[in-house]
Amino acid sequence: GAGVSQSPSNKVTEKGKDVELRCDPISGHTALYWYRQSLGQGLEFLIYFQGNSAPDKSGLPSDRFSAERTGGSVSTLTIQRTQQEDSAVYLCASSSRGDGSVETQYFGPGTRLLVL
Amino acid sequence: AQSVTQLGSHVSVSEGALVLLRCNYSSSVPPYLFWYVQYPNQGLQLLLKYTSAATLVKGINGFEAEFKKSETSFHLTKPSAHMSDAAEYFCAVGNTGFQKLVFGTGTRLLVSP
Repeated sequence: GAGVSQSPSNKVTEKGKDVELRCDPISGHTALYWYRQSLGQGLEFLIYFQGNSAPDKSGLPSDRFSAERTGGSVSTLTIQRTQQEDSAVYLCASSSRGDGSVETQYFGPGTRLLVL
Repeated sequence: AQSVTQLGSHVSVSEGALVLLRCNYSSSVPPYLFWYVQYPNQGLQLLLKYTSAATLVKGINGFEAEFKKSETSFHLTKPSAHMSDAAEYFCAVGNTGFQKLVFGTGTRLLVSP
C-alpha cells in the first residue's frame, strides 16, 4: 500500500514568513510523529499524535511551532515567523498504534525547508 | 531518560569487507531498539528492530544486529559490504512508555570499490 507522503518536498521561504508542511500517514495508522533533521543536530522529536488523545508537544522548540491532525489522519505542521535556524528537513512518521507497544515507525520522504 | 550513542560519524570500508556500525544505548527500562537507513534525499527506512524476542535480529539487505544487555550495545553488522550500502545509518531507542524515538547522531557509511 501507499507509504507516508509529505508535501511540499522542498520549500524556500523568507525569514518572517509562515509555512505549512503537510503529512499524509499510512491509512489506518493511529499514531503520527513529526521529527526535525538539522545539520549537526541529528533527528529531534517534535510532536506525537495518538488517536484522539492530547498530542505530546514536548519536543516543539518554541511557540512559533504548532501542529494539528484533522480527522485522525492528515497532519499539518505550521511554523510562524520563520527564522534561519528553522532550516532543516522535517520528517513525518506513522505507526499502527502507540499505546502499549512500540510499533515500527514508517517515515515519509521529508520536507526540506530553507529559510533565507 | 533514554539516549543513544553512535561511535564514528563516518565509517569507510572496501566493497566486500565487513561492516560494523556501533550503537550504545542508555535506558532505565527494557528498550526497543531500531536501526534505520537513510539514502540521499530520502526518508528513513527500517533495517531491523529489537523487541526482546531474540537477541540476534536479522534485517533487510543482509544486515543483522545483536542486543547485548551487559554491554548496552546494539551494533549493526553485515559480512560483506556492497556499493549500494553507502548511506547514513541511525540507531534509535524507544520503550512502551515512551513512544517517541530517540535517535543517535547517525553514521555515514562509505563504500569504496
